[in-house]
Amino acid sequence: QSALAQPASVSGSPGQSITISCTGTSSDVGGYDYVSWYQQHPDKAPRLIIFDVSNRPSGVSNRFSGSKSGNTASLTISGLQAEDEADYFCCSYTGSSDVMVFGGGTKLTVL
Amino acid sequence: QVQLQESGPGLVKPSQSLSLTCTVSGGSISSGGYYWSWIRQRPGKGLEWIGYIYYSGSTYYNPSLMSRLTISVDTPKNQFSLKVSSVTAADTAVYYCARGGAHCDGDCYLGYPFDYWGQGTLVSVSS
Repeated sequence: QSALAQPASVSGSPGQSITISCTGTSSDVGGYDYVSWYQQHPDKAPRLIIFDVSNRPSGVSNRFSGSKSGNTASLTISGLQAEDEADYFCCSYTGSSDVMVFGGGTKLTVL
Repeated sequence: QVQLQESGPGLVKPSQSLSLTCTVSGGSISSGGYYWSWIRQRPGKGLEWIGYIYYSGSTYYNPSLMSRLTISVDTPKNQFSLKVSSVTAADTAVYYCARGGAHCDGDCYLGYPFDYWGQGTLVSVSS
């Protein structure tokens, strides 16, 4: 069982927006602004798409955005494209044990 | 552009040790600032942070694994390595090396994102 809870799957049609949630506790997501999101295509390494809750690395489309409320972080993808179909993982620092913890991952299907 | 590449055996027998090396190019581990991490992904499962190391040799391990872990660094070769002892089938996974987990620039920032990743290497534990 992963430390951070994510829905197993979400889906959307091209052009739509979807949101993926990542729920933790006050010791991780809720306690620190150190939430990051990763995109992973099949048989590929994960790719950083959001860091520090809502910041995008250079080169990442502005269709990806992040936010946080309480113990839940969210990743929103707007204007869905076929290439967005992938697995998405959230990650947070946890102060209770000074480790990095990941969510179980969410499979995004673009219909 | 920083690049990372994992190397090591793809098959390990139960109860033996798993050893992997990550070679970094496009940047020097010893230039400081960044921590260097190992992360694994069991088949069909999510990601699990294993531990990280600084160029000075300072390490931090996931408490759930730390009794079996050793992470080391070889700055002249610009490499860092992972050793997991007493492996079982549950250690079968794709192992990734990555830059991140923490960053030091005067003060240290725990929670630094994993911004560069290796391609990953599958290690199977089987007799």
